[in-house]
Amino acid sequence: GESVGLHLPTLSVQEGDNSIINCAYSNSASDYFIWYKQESGKGPQFIIDIRSNMDKRQGQRVTVLLNKTVKHLSLQIAATQPGDSAVYFCAEVWGGYNKLIFGAGTRLAVHP
Amino acid sequence: NAGVTQTPKFQVLKTGQSMTLQCAQDMNHNSMYWYRQDPGMGLRLIYYSASEGTTDKGEVPNGYNVSRLNKREFSLRLESAAPSQTSVYFCASSETNPTNYGYTFGSGTRLTVV
Repeated sequence: GESVGLHLPTLSVQEGDNSIINCAYSNSASDYFIWYKQESGKGPQFIIDIRSNMDKRQGQRVTVLLNKTVKHLSLQIAATQPGDSAVYFCAEVWGGYNKLIFGAGTRLAVHP
Repeated sequence: NAGVTQTPKFQVLKTGQSMTLQCAQDMNHNSMYWYRQDPGMGLRLIYYSASEGTTDKGEVPNGYNVSRLNKREFSLRLESAAPSQTSVYFCASSETNPTNYGYTFGSGTRLTVV
């Protein structure tokens, strides 16, 4: 697979624990945010999104929190599973028409 | 329903050679995008096309050109490849309805310039 993520920060968790992945975004005018999961050799896969008029949104086993005051996003994964091992990116939409700008990413490693 | 299809999946070029990366989507999306992904850098936007007939520069457009051939297809061209363009390239598409920003990505093209 690609050598994506060689130098990314890594979060290591035990299977069954909860994971929290953090992201700082750049533009206070961003109005929409998305979390993506990327497995080796694949393109980014949508996990969950949130609009700037919300503070929290829940999906299946995942929750996204948005703190606009400090321009911070977090992704919480409940009962982390080995299949959750991947690189996770936050992305923001700003600066014009549908431009999606990515953060640097975090590698999640789930240990049995 | 294939989603976003990129070709080729792998390519090796010599410095100075040219090539075109192809992208096609079958979701009737108006907007299409080209990103590059380098280790530790996340994905960076090269060019995008908000609708058929329009293209605009993203964060890192230098050394690239694009063509929105029709609503389905958006190609990325390297006129004179350089080692700094060694990367994984992703194409994506999306709706333009502001209530639905779903983006779909292709599986990527791994390009090595030697």
